Amino acid sequence: EDQVTQSPEALRLQEGESSSLNCSYTVSGLRGLFWYRQDPGKGPEFLFTLYSAGEEKEKERLKATLTKKESFLHITAPKPEDSATYLCAVQATATDMRFGAGTRLTVKP
Amino acid sequence: KAGVTQTPRYLIKTRGQQVTLSCSPISGHRSVSWYQQTPGQGLQFLFEYFSETQRNKGNFPGRFSGRQFSNSRSEMNVSTLELGDSALYLCASSSLWEETQYFGPGTRLLVL
Repeated sequence: EDQVTQSPEALRLQEGESSSLNCSYTVSGLRGLFWYRQDPGKGPEFLFTLYSAGEEKEKERLKATLTKKESFLHITAPKPEDSATYLCAVQATATDMRFGAGTRLTVKP
Repeated sequence: KAGVTQTPRYLIKTRGQQVTLSCSPISGHRSVSWYQQTPGQGLQFLFEYFSETQRNKGNFPGRFSGRQFSNSRSEMNVSTLELGDSALYLCASSSLWEETQYFGPGTRLLVL
C-alpha cells in the first residue's frame, strides 16, 4: 500500500539554526511529490513540486530535494515567520494524492 | 488570478442535520478535490471531480457526497451529521497541465 511518512512530528529551532525535514514514501509509481506549508486554521500553501530523483528546487530559505525513496525540505537560517506545519504529499496516479501527517516547525527568536 | 474560494468559512450544525459546502476553483482549472482534515487523522481524501464526473473516491461513508457543475464549481454535501464530522474541509483545484493542487482556505465545520 502507498504510504507517506514524515519525520520528525515536531521540530523546535532557534532563529538561524538550519535543519531538514524528511518525507519518506512507498508508491508503485511516482507522478509527483509535493511540499506544502500550512498555518493554523488555513489551507495548505503550495511550495514545491518534484518529479524525479535528483531534482532540487529552492525558494528563499527553503530547498527541496528528492531521491527514489524520500524527500528532504532543508530550511536555512530560519526565521520565526517560518513556523508552520509542513506537509508532504505524493501522487501515484492521476487521481490519488496521499498526504503525510506533517512536521510542525516552531522557530524561536 | 484569483485563488480557490470556499464558502462558507465557518459553520455550526447539530447532529442529524445536513450541510452543503461550496468551492470555486482557480479560473481554468477543471479538477476539484475535497479533503477532510482533523488533528487525529490529518488530511484525508474525500473525492475528486473532473468535468462534472467523479474520478476517484476516498474511504468515507455514503453520507459524504459531491458534485461538480459545468463551470467547474463544486459542492460537497454531508447528510445526517455526526460529532466526528467536525473538521476543516478543504477544496483544491488543479489544471490539465500540472499535477499540483492549489488549496482554498477551507470551511471549518463544527457539529454539536
